[in-house]
Amino acid sequence: SQTIHQWPATLVQPVGSPLSLECTVEGTSNPNLYWYRQAAGRGLQLLFYSVGIGQISSEVPQNLSASRPQDRQFILSSKKLLLSDSGFYLCAWSGTGLDYGYTFGSGTRLTVV
Amino acid sequence: QKEVEQNSGPLSVPEGAIASLNCTYSDRGSQSFFWYRQYSGKSPELIMSIYSNGDKEDGRFTAQLNKASQYVSLLIRDSQPSDSATYLCATQGGTALIFGKGTTLSVSS
Repeated sequence: SQTIHQWPATLVQPVGSPLSLECTVEGTSNPNLYWYRQAAGRGLQLLFYSVGIGQISSEVPQNLSASRPQDRQFILSSKKLLLSDSGFYLCAWSGTGLDYGYTFGSGTRLTVV
Repeated sequence: QKEVEQNSGPLSVPEGAIASLNCTYSDRGSQSFFWYRQYSGKSPELIMSIYSNGDKEDGRFTAQLNKASQYVSLLIRDSQPSDSATYLCATQGGTALIFGKGTTLSVSS
């Protein structure tokens, strides 16, 4: 069966510090991968998605970036965090058809102080 | 801009009642629809998917789709306190799922 791992679970970072969140998927190959952010009281905002190694599409301009160095690995990064980057970051994977729902990782709660 | 709209609630129902959650979407071309449940502090989990007009039942859950009205709903029969959560409606928006902001359901015992 397929599983998705996301870490760390909780992170407190000062403004201006770098960020690296990692997500890996097991039990499937060539998944579509996604990063979403959920800010307090707000909906899920799509940040990045990837359909293959090295293929990244950005939905919202910001100081975040994403990379997919391996088929089942998806990384979210920032060089300098802003207070507005605080939120609940969720990695998700899906099959390659449009009719697949997503399976989410357990999420990372990021607080920028 | 493709949008998914949900009443934020909270929707409060007594234990054993039917909870009805509603969602509308703007993209008439949407073909896939999903309901997720999110407990406080946790990640969303998929509970239902529906692709055709009509009803789809899975245990205590029934999803209803009306593409002409651009309307999706989720019925939860015999609601339990453990059903208390935020329910997110989502539809395929081309490249990725677009989510509503969710409806918070509270089931009182």
